[in-house]
Amino acid sequence: AQKVTQAQTEISVVEKEDVTLDCVYETRDTTYYLFWYKQPPSGELVFLIRRNSFDEQNEISGRYSWNFQKSTSSFNFTITASQVVDSAVYFCALSEAGRDDKIIFGKGTRLHILP
Amino acid sequence: DGGITQSPKYLFRKEGQNVTLSCEQNLNHDAMYWYRQDPGQGLRLIYYSQIVNDFQKGDIAEGYSVSREKKESFPLTVTSAQKNPTAFYLCASSITAGSSRYNSPLHFGNGTRLTVT
Repeated sequence: AQKVTQAQTEISVVEKEDVTLDCVYETRDTTYYLFWYKQPPSGELVFLIRRNSFDEQNEISGRYSWNFQKSTSSFNFTITASQVVDSAVYFCALSEAGRDDKIIFGKGTRLHILP
Repeated sequence: DGGITQSPKYLFRKEGQNVTLSCEQNLNHDAMYWYRQDPGQGLRLIYYSQIVNDFQKGDIAEGYSVSREKKESFPLTVTSAQKNPTAFYLCASSITAGSSRYNSPLHFGNGTRLTVT
């Protein structure tokens, strides 16, 4: 079955600490796409990154990095030197090619960065 | 600037009344979606539309209805049949429909918080 699990419901760290948000997915398809979105207090979800199932290269964008491991079905997100502006809810999502528009979201991880 | 506009931001209704949430986009996107967000529940798909005058049910369509008469607009009606309508509703769009839709990121509006008492 298609599923996305974000086991961490809520995380609090002190500013400048590194923090990793976990995402574990389940799929039977060989072609799929994984996404991360950020939802700040304003409510609008903002797209952060997309990865397809054939590209296991890790990605770094400034203080953000993503670790995709097919062997463990994980797509974890790390924020380095966290800042208060990183406080938000972060969602991991899965889309399977061939499915009818099923974009499955995890339940989200609420991240608090304490000053 | 291009984007998705949802209105109103907050909406209050009495139980038994239908209410329509507005969603307009000027991104020229083909596909549009409605999601419902409840605390600790992630996002659940209500309806989606890939083309004008066509739409499909998502996972929790019961008690909701939509229309897609124009490419830019995808209003959602929460009917009195929806048993637990109080929630945060998010509209989204993506650039492509068809087979490329699986890898297209979604663009979201700011949401409408509906409270029914």
